[in-house]
Amino acid sequence: EVQLVQSGAEVKKPGESLKISCKGSGYSFTSYWIAWVRQMPGKGLEWMGIIYPGDSDTRYSPSFQGQVTISADKSISTAYLQWSSLKASDIAMYYCARLFGAKEVDYWGQGTQVTVSS
Amino acid sequence: QTVVTQEPSLTVSPGGTVTLTCASSTGAVTSGYYPNWSQQKPGQAPKALIYSTSNKHSWTPARFSGSLLGGKAALTVSGVLPEDEADYYCLLFSGGAWVFGGGTKLTVL
Repeated sequence: EVQLVQSGAEVKKPGESLKISCKGSGYSFTSYWIAWVRQMPGKGLEWMGIIYPGDSDTRYSPSFQGQVTISADKSISTAYLQWSSLKASDIAMYYCARLFGAKEVDYWGQGTQVTVSS
Repeated sequence: QTVVTQEPSLTVSPGGTVTLTCASSTGAVTSGYYPNWSQQKPGQAPKALIYSTSNKHSWTPARFSGSLLGGKAALTVSGVLPEDEADYYCLLFSGGAWVFGGGTKLTVL
């Protein structure tokens, strides 16, 4: 059974760093792209970027380039989304999703809530 | 960057048929945009329904279908059930990038 299991909710202060994770299981992790998607409170889905864990090829949406870093550790079948300095505007639910063929979404993670508050 | 536009909201009666559409600011949506559709119910993660315009996942109910209609990607729900009340998001691959539409809130009333 394919599963994407994300790390738990986080509460951080402005300026702090954060790394959230998405662990894939039930399939060959290195053979499928993983995307990260933001959903701000009460808003729609926003595509942040994708990574191919097989070779770490990473592509960012222009809106998120330079704002976050996407990475993966194929030895533990885990993709990451990280911030070096959180802002209040980073408050959102973050989802990972698997793509097959690089353009087709099939499985979604359960989401990680990120809260930033002083 | 491409802007993808969906109807903000639609209402349908139980048992009825409704079509949601997805337009691109770059012009007509074709199969080369690989339209994807996902459903999101309140408090839940999205769930993929359709990929590459019209292909269903193994878990996608038969009442959901995808197509191209009048230069847009379309998601049709036939024989709507109360449980289909949800937000629906299209995703297009355009100009080398993936872009979500703003979502359609489907109300079953």
